Amino acid sequence: NAGVTQTPKFQVLKTGQSMTLQCAQDMNHNSMYWYRQDPGMGLRLIYYSASEGTTDKGEVPNGYNVSRLNKREFSLRLESAAPSQTSVYFCASSGTSDSYEQYFGPGTRLTVT
Amino acid sequence: RKEVEQDPGPFNVPEGATVAFNCTYSNSASQSFFWYRQDCRKEPKLLMSVYSSGNEDGRFTAQLNRASQYISLLIRDSKLSDSATYLCVVIIGNAGNMLTFGGGTRLMVKP
Repeated sequence: NAGVTQTPKFQVLKTGQSMTLQCAQDMNHNSMYWYRQDPGMGLRLIYYSASEGTTDKGEVPNGYNVSRLNKREFSLRLESAAPSQTSVYFCASSGTSDSYEQYFGPGTRLTVT
Repeated sequence: RKEVEQDPGPFNVPEGATVAFNCTYSNSASQSFFWYRQDCRKEPKLLMSVYSSGNEDGRFTAQLNRASQYISLLIRDSKLSDSATYLCVVIIGNAGNMLTFGGGTRLMVKP
């Protein structure tokens, strides 16, 4: 039981490049989330998926798109990376949309130059 | 103004000390409160929920003061392994899927 897994662990992009961050959970959770964490800012919600087939914007969605591929997988795409998107990205999942306990993946450290 | 504010620290304390952190929240519609722990370069993990009457889990005690809109975390008999960043987390209204995080308070326990 791996919990929440994310790939890649590290990535360096040039401005304007695109990439997709992958996330998968094996806990049969309904809800999944993408956060970014910047120094002193706390974690901020980018997008979430309350259940398979649905996605909604969080606090900071601009510059990102998401896909809930199936119940297990939730990907985050940067179409044209910008230096302001340099951050640590965490994926999380929870049992239901009302469950406060979220389980986090190990994170992806992204640098955009 | 941030929704959830924490003193970033670091709080440097010796082993065995008692240390307390506060966290203030600005939205009076905040309904649920938690403390998460995040080790250096790791993911956050739920430490404990915070109930209106206050609650204890071993050496950890959490309190909520709705009138003044703050929550606190008290750690007794600090261990080296308590060194981490403690994140205050709030759910506003009934948005169970929207956790709002504070910036975290860093604790360093020294031998």
